[in-house]
Amino acid sequence: QSVLTQPPSASGTPGQRVTISCSGSTSNIGSKTVTWYQHLPGTAPQLLIYGDNQRPSGVPDRFSGSTSGTSASLAISGLQSEDEADYYCAAWDDSLNGLYVFGTGTKVTVL
Amino acid sequence: QLQLQESGPGLVKPSETLSLACTVSGGSISTSIYFWGWIRQPPGKGLEWIGSMFYSGSTYYNPSLKSRVTISVDTSKNHFSLKLSSVTAADTAVYYCARGYSSSGRYQYYFDYWGLGTLVTVSS
Repeated sequence: QSVLTQPPSASGTPGQRVTISCSGSTSNIGSKTVTWYQHLPGTAPQLLIYGDNQRPSGVPDRFSGSTSGTSASLAISGLQSEDEADYYCAAWDDSLNGLYVFGTGTKVTVL
Repeated sequence: QLQLQESGPGLVKPSETLSLACTVSGGSISTSIYFWGWIRQPPGKGLEWIGSMFYSGSTYYNPSLKSRVTISVDTSKNHFSLKLSSVTAADTAVYYCARGYSSSGRYQYYFDYWGLGTLVTVSS
């Protein structure tokens, strides 16, 4: 059902920069702000980025978000082993009388 | 620090109603600034929004589940609940409750505090 498309996987070595894409449409990313969540299996998902590029208190500045048109990106610079997790983009979608949509998810592996 | 904790049966029979509660501690559920929602994750799959409820009573449900979902708030217990009727094996998932924030027109919409989740299995 997901209308936000992410690559299934991404990887990098410690210290590298990894970028995750999130492709949507005019009814979601094109007209609403994007949120990114980090999810380690067995734990509660954590809010990573909101409002396209805002970091909540406590989130390292290694994480940054950006948007362009109907696409969004999450960049992790200076990759660390604890960054190995699943990452989801999300946004409100005005289609179908409105719903909150999550991306398909990207598994980041630290090599 | 706000904390949320899901509770409810871990096993539900097909065609019955799944009922979960989310207890909020460290803050009041009676707030007009935030809303309360449910999200689920089937085994091996991604996150799926189920629905959200504002303290004012306004509710928003995933269209794919709308006919079967009810979210309600109990201010006396500082908790909110999820009911999902006529469940099938496809409803087997880890269910998360969360607090959310929405700006006008849902231009900005996100969940900032989540529970740890509870696994609900639908099986006879």
